Amino acid sequence: EVQLLESGGGFIQPGESQRLSCAASGFTFSSYAMSWVRQAPGKGLEWVSDISGSGGTTYHADSVKGRLTISRDNSKDTLYLQMNSLRADDTAVYYCAKMGGSGSLNDAFDVWGQGTMVTVSS
Amino acid sequence: DIVMTQSPDSLAVSLGERATINCKSSQSVSSSSNHKNYLAWYQQKPGQHPKLLISWASTRESGVPDRFSGSGSGTDFTLTISSLQAEDVAVYYCQQYYTTPPRTFGQGTKVEIK
Repeated sequence: EVQLLESGGGFIQPGESQRLSCAASGFTFSSYAMSWVRQAPGKGLEWVSDISGSGGTTYHADSVKGRLTISRDNSKDTLYLQMNSLRADDTAVYYCAKMGGSGSLNDAFDVWGQGTMVTVSS
Repeated sequence: DIVMTQSPDSLAVSLGERATINCKSSQSVSSSSNHKNYLAWYQQKPGQHPKLLISWASTRESGVPDRFSGSGSGTDFTLTISSLQAEDVAVYYCQQYYTTPPRTFGQGTKVEIK
């Protein structure tokens, strides 16, 4: 069974750092591009970052560029989101998502994790 | 950036009736070279993660009931639930993945039972 399991969320002070992880299982992790998508409380879905299967190509939303960084370790089947200089408006549920089978970054998200909540507050 | 606009923001439909959700993109998300429409529909039930229902505008995911269907091309797309069931209460999102970054979502449409 294909599964994504996020961890690393919690209560964080403004300006601090946190790293989210997403453990993948049930598929050949390195063959698929992956993403992070977030959802602020009561709001819609906001794309955050993409990374290619090899990790050689990454994209970030303008709202997080320079502060949040996506990466992956294909030897550990794990996706990461390093979050620095956190702000109150980063408060959200963070989902990792697997892209579909086209192999490219232009694909839909066919598998989602259950999400991990990040609350940035003093 | 491509802006995705869904309509309506919410709708209430009687059980067994049809529900129709529209999604309009600010520019075409269809490729003339491969004739593909880079448009997905997701369902998010209360307290759950989103679930992919339809990709490439009209390709239903495995296990998705056939009462869900997607159509459209270019800038105008539609998700139809042919006979609404109680378990279909959710927020539905469209998303374009033609031009990325950024991939963009619609604002969501909340479907309720009348």
